[in-house]
Amino acid sequence: GQQVQQSPSSLVLQEGENAELQCNFSSTATQLQWFYQSPGGSLVSLLSNPSGTKHTGRLTSTTVTKERRSSLHISSSQTTDSGTYLCAIDPDTNAYKVIFGKGTHLHVLP
Amino acid sequence: NAGVIQTPRHKVTGKGQEATLWCEPISGHSAVFWYRQTIVQGLEFLTYFRNQAPIDDSGMPKERFSAQMPNQSHSTLKIQSTQPQDSAVYLCASSLGDWVYAEQFFGPGTRLTVL
Repeated sequence: GQQVQQSPSSLVLQEGENAELQCNFSSTATQLQWFYQSPGGSLVSLLSNPSGTKHTGRLTSTTVTKERRSSLHISSSQTTDSGTYLCAIDPDTNAYKVIFGKGTHLHVLP
Repeated sequence: NAGVIQTPRHKVTGKGQEATLWCEPISGHSAVFWYRQTIVQGLEFLTYFRNQAPIDDSGMPKERFSAQMPNQSHSTLKIQSTQPQDSAVYLCASSLGDWVYAEQFFGPGTRLTVL
């Protein structure tokens, strides 16, 4: 079945460093979203990027659809960026079974 | 706008008891999604309603789990005869449309613990 693999599983940075998170998926996806889950548990959508490059604030996502991969770049990391970053895809326009990766746990040290 | 509301935030049940989880989507959102999150499995899709109609419940365990959306202001997820492996955080999300096209807004989740 469709799988979403995220790497690294965890990442520790010093404040100010950049982070590069990877998402690979096993078949074509019509939609891909990056989510952030805070240590307290609430989940928020960061950006939607099924193909190409998108920027929002300090976040840049690049998705290469035919290579079935996406990355999320966080520039100048801050302690408040700490949490879990999840990649999710919708592999089929006729289905709604969104599939999430296990996430990358980011810890930014002061 | 209060966002997606889920109640209760925490629920503890004994094995074999029933658990009902509630979700109030954002007013005006036509789509409601239920997910389950565990350490081992991560975040798993359970079911999806559009305009109160069930669209896809392929992620729901076939036995003991059921979801309903009797009106546009709330949805329920019911687990009968709860088992320890049902322990998880259950997340509800709503959006203006299908996931492919519309951003999902998540509630804070209900942490279910089955003893």
